[in-house]
Amino acid sequence: RKEVEQDPGPFNVPEGATVAFNCTYSNSASQSFFWYRQDCRKEPKLLMSVYSSGNEDGRFTAQLNRASQYISLLIRDSKLSDSATYLCVVDGNQFYFGTGTSLTVIP
Amino acid sequence: NAGVTQTPKFQVLKTGQSMTLQCAQDMNHEYMSWYRQDPGMGLRLIHYSVGAGITDQGEVPNGYNVSRSTTEDFPLRLLSAAPSQTSVYFCASSRNYRGNEQFFGPGTRLTVL
Repeated sequence: RKEVEQDPGPFNVPEGATVAFNCTYSNSASQSFFWYRQDCRKEPKLLMSVYSSGNEDGRFTAQLNRASQYISLLIRDSKLSDSATYLCVVDGNQFYFGTGTSLTVIP
Repeated sequence: NAGVTQTPKFQVLKTGQSMTLQCAQDMNHEYMSWYRQDPGMGLRLIHYSVGAGITDQGEVPNGYNVSRSTTEDFPLRLLSAAPSQTSVYFCASSRNYRGNEQFFGPGTRLTVL
């Protein structure tokens, strides 16, 4: 079983839409959770950390459900510039990356 | 700060050749790691280091060696390149691996013929 699993998509949504991604993890002892963004042929960059109580950064909301072992990312009012691959990351004895979810925002 | 730098950006090797991918960071980070990224496979950890002089294997270490003689540098050596090592290689660093952001280099695109 993979440490981290994500729906690869692709998600194709119109501008202004709300879109949500989920990610499940297998290690119940994991303590740190992140969402990274990766543009085509570029390196991943931190989008936001995910805290137990949930957290928001502008149009982005991240949530953690420890009981069900999943994290989520909600993007409101999607912009063309949000088109990218979103990677969830969970720690264990190392960092574990999901395979990424592809998002394309359509004009 | 330059952040995490990697060289070369692109490389083509023939089967059996060896080479070293360079990685350096100027943020005084203790934790450094090498990943490879293949379509549909996500980022997979090759080797990592929690400090100078300390290295350990990740998920896919076979065919690769690393060393960490300084805090700043973490080179990845391909011992005898194989076509299966065709991939994009990313180096990353973080203050430590618990709860801290990882900073990635721009990547090296390697093709083995």
